[in-house]
Amino acid sequence: AQRVTQPEKLLSVFKGAPVELKCNYSYSGSPELFWYVQYSRQRLQLLLRHISRESIKGFTADLNKGETSFHLKKPFAQEEDSAMYYCALRARLWGSEKLVFGKGTKLTVNP
Amino acid sequence: KAGVTQTPRYLIKTRGQQVTLSCSPISGHRSVSWYQQTPGQGLQFLFEYFSETQRNKGNFPGRFSGRQFSNSRSEMNVSTLELGDSALYLCASSSPLENTEAFFGQGTRLTVV
Repeated sequence: AQRVTQPEKLLSVFKGAPVELKCNYSYSGSPELFWYVQYSRQRLQLLLRHISRESIKGFTADLNKGETSFHLKKPFAQEEDSAMYYCALRARLWGSEKLVFGKGTKLTVNP
Repeated sequence: KAGVTQTPRYLIKTRGQQVTLSCSPISGHRSVSWYQQTPGQGLQFLFEYFSETQRNKGNFPGRFSGRQFSNSRSEMNVSTLELGDSALYLCASSSPLENTEAFFGQGTRLTVV
């Protein structure tokens, strides 16, 4: 079975501080991992996917297969980073596009 | 390209009624997935359609059904509504052949009273 765990429901940091949102997954095969973000009153949108290895809005995430983790990091948080962040796994079993989501972490960046 | 469009944005229904939600995917995307989002359970997969065929189904009762048309537009139907069906229903489209990520619509907020 596929499972994604985001241990922190809420995370609060001050502007300029580093931030790390944790994500652990359970899947026996080779997963695709994503971070989606939902800003207030906006649709869910992709932030990062592990295969692209990009840095978006200063965020990075590295897939660690040994620790089955895909933590999201940013060295200096900004107030506009305040949002809900969801880690998701796509198994592509039998060609399926099904995403399994974690419960999400609400990030608040205080001034 | 226009994004994923869901209609209607808001719905209020009475227990026992049925409801149909619509999703228009991004042009060229042949896969459409549906998710239920609630504060308690988060985002849960309902089902996925590809080229008019249901390819995967989540753990929801048979009251939840869907279909996809030849133009890739999709509808989901919930019959005999229960109070617990109140949720935000999200549709996502993707192109497996191009290995795209899933693009989400703004959702339909269903309230069952």
